[in-house]
Amino acid sequence: AQSVAQPEDQVNVAEGNPLTVKCTYSVSGNPYLFWYVQYPNRGLQFLLKYITGDNLVKGSYGFEAEFNKSQTSFHLKKPSALVSDSALYFCAVRDRIYNQGGKLIFGQGTELSVKP
Amino acid sequence: DGGITQSPKYLFRKEGQNVTLSCEQNLNHDAMYWYRQDPGQGLRLIYYSQIVNDFQKGDIAEGYSVSREKKESFPLTVTSAQKNPTAFYLCASSNSGTALEQYFGPGTRLTVT
Repeated sequence: AQSVAQPEDQVNVAEGNPLTVKCTYSVSGNPYLFWYVQYPNRGLQFLLKYITGDNLVKGSYGFEAEFNKSQTSFHLKKPSALVSDSALYFCAVRDRIYNQGGKLIFGQGTELSVKP
Repeated sequence: DGGITQSPKYLFRKEGQNVTLSCEQNLNHDAMYWYRQDPGQGLRLIYYSQIVNDFQKGDIAEGYSVSREKKESFPLTVTSAQKNPTAFYLCASSNSGTALEQYFGPGTRLTVT
């Protein structure tokens, strides 16, 4: 079965420190991978995606993510966290072959808290 | 939140009543989706539509119905058969090509008492 796991419900980081939000997936073949961010009572905002090519993907607001095929991971990173980065982050995957109308499978989300 | 609007932002209903949530997009996207979000459970797909006048059940379609009469509109009806309808509902859309991200509306928080 296809699945996405975000092993940490919450990540706490001090402002200015690097941050990592972890994501691992279980999908047949090579998936498409996405990160989204959600602020309270708002919809999801797209951050970045991995389709093919360079394993390091750069996205919005200084975020980047590294695709690791052998570890089936797609961790979200940022070199220097801001208080305004505090939000709920979702990893999502899409099967490259068994498309199902573009269905995304989401992880359960990781709450990122950046303290001054 | 892109060019997707959802209304209303907050909705309150009594148990046993059907309620319809609106979703409109002006992005000229072919595909549209409805998700349900519950705390700690991520997003779960209710229904999706890849083209006008066609839609497919997602993972948790029971107790919900949709229509897709126009490309820009994809309303969701939460029926009285839905056993636990209180949730945050998110609509999304995307181009029909592969590998493209979905754009989300601001969501509707439905409370049923």
